[in-house]
Amino acid sequence: NAGVTQTPKFRILKIGQSMTLQCTQDMNHNYMYWYRQDPGMGLKLIYYSVGAGITDKGEVPNGYNVSRSTTEDFPLRLELAAPSQTSVYFCATKEDGSPNTEAFFGQGTRLTVV
Amino acid sequence: AQSVSQHNHHVILSEAASLELGCNYSYGGTVNLFWYVQYPGQHLQLLLKYFSGDPLVKGIKGFEAEFIKSKFSFNLRKPSVQWSDTAEYFCAVNAQRGNNRLAFGKGNQVVVIP
Repeated sequence: NAGVTQTPKFRILKIGQSMTLQCTQDMNHNYMYWYRQDPGMGLKLIYYSVGAGITDKGEVPNGYNVSRSTTEDFPLRLELAAPSQTSVYFCATKEDGSPNTEAFFGQGTRLTVV
Repeated sequence: AQSVSQHNHHVILSEAASLELGCNYSYGGTVNLFWYVQYPGQHLQLLLKYFSGDPLVKGIKGFEAEFIKSKFSFNLRKPSVQWSDTAEYFCAVNAQRGNNRLAFGKGNQVVVIP
């Protein structure tokens, strides 16, 4: 099993450009999450989804959009990239909503906006 | 909402030294506690977790953590570190009731010098 796969691994964007960060999982997990990781700041939740067709905002959703048309995929969209969105982005999944279940993370996408 | 504090963001130590990383959380209810590790260039991996029972939890690679409810703490320890323990360590908290979100601390960047 591949687990949680993120693409691309690295990307440089110009201010105002748009892009989609891809996240796909083959574990049939219902819950999926997008986090951003900034140095010395830990992980902040951007958006999450509890199942196909359902998404909700996390702590820092501004400037991002998500969709969840299938169980497997949870893309994160940046419409107008800004330097403040320079970060490392992690996608994570959980089997269900139980707080006892472990979260599994992808390898991350390092995004630089210049 | 729950929050997590980790102190001493950067830790540098020599091989065979002992390591202790502090983690304090703020939340009035019952919580599940996790330590995740991120090796250079890799994704976050679960190191250990506490849900209930024995407050001293053993994890992978010789790590252990102790839950002290009265202090709202879940400190991570390893008696003798190796160079391969160089990584960033994140403490995370998930309330057992309420929203199903992991709250992460800011992380500890640990560098072990051979």
